Amino acid sequence: EVQLVQSGAEVKKPGESLRISCQGSGYSFTTYWISWVRQMPGKGLEWMGRIDPSDSYTDYSPSFQGHVTFSADKSDSTAYLHWGSLKASDTAMYFCARRAIYGSGDTLDIWGQGTMVTVSS
Amino acid sequence: DIQMTQSPSSLSASVGDRVTITCRASQSIGRYLNWYQQKPGKAPKLLIYAASSFQSGVPSRFSGSGSGTDFTLTISSLQPEDFATYYCQQTYTSPWTFGQGTKMEIK
Repeated sequence: EVQLVQSGAEVKKPGESLRISCQGSGYSFTTYWISWVRQMPGKGLEWMGRIDPSDSYTDYSPSFQGHVTFSADKSDSTAYLHWGSLKASDTAMYFCARRAIYGSGDTLDIWGQGTMVTVSS
Repeated sequence: DIQMTQSPSSLSASVGDRVTITCRASQSIGRYLNWYQQKPGKAPKLLIYAASSFQSGVPSRFSGSGSGTDFTLTISSLQPEDFATYYCQQTYTSPWTFGQGTKMEIK
């Protein structure tokens, strides 16, 4: 079964660092980019950017550039989302999703279950 | 960034109704438009890609159309499991952007 499994919920204080993970299985992990998507409580979906696990090329949305970092470990089929200094406004559910090309366009066809990050003093 | 605007933001409908959600892009995106369904507490699920192509396993009551700047998602006969929030997404250019969502509720 093709799946993405994310790490568990986190509760952190402002200013702390955090790394959450997304492990792929059932497919060739380096063949498909991984995107990260934020969903703030009660709000819609926001695309944060993507990483190519084969060479760790990254493409950040300007809204998130400089505040988060994507990385990937090919040997473990795992992608990571990292914050160096969390803010209360980072409180959200974070999804990873596999980018696949269907027809001639990009899609996000497989999604992780989400990781809830709560930042509170 | 390309702005995606969905309408309506919420919709109240009954089982068996035919419903249509629209999505408008701030510039032409060809057919690089996907639709997702999200149920509470769950990850989004890909329904339609390239504006009108079905993802495997999606019921035929769902259909998509459009190109350029105007797109629609239609559900021909609402079923109880269709009450959810629907998002459009453009992948024409980075940053990919989503519409704000359309929440479908039971009347």
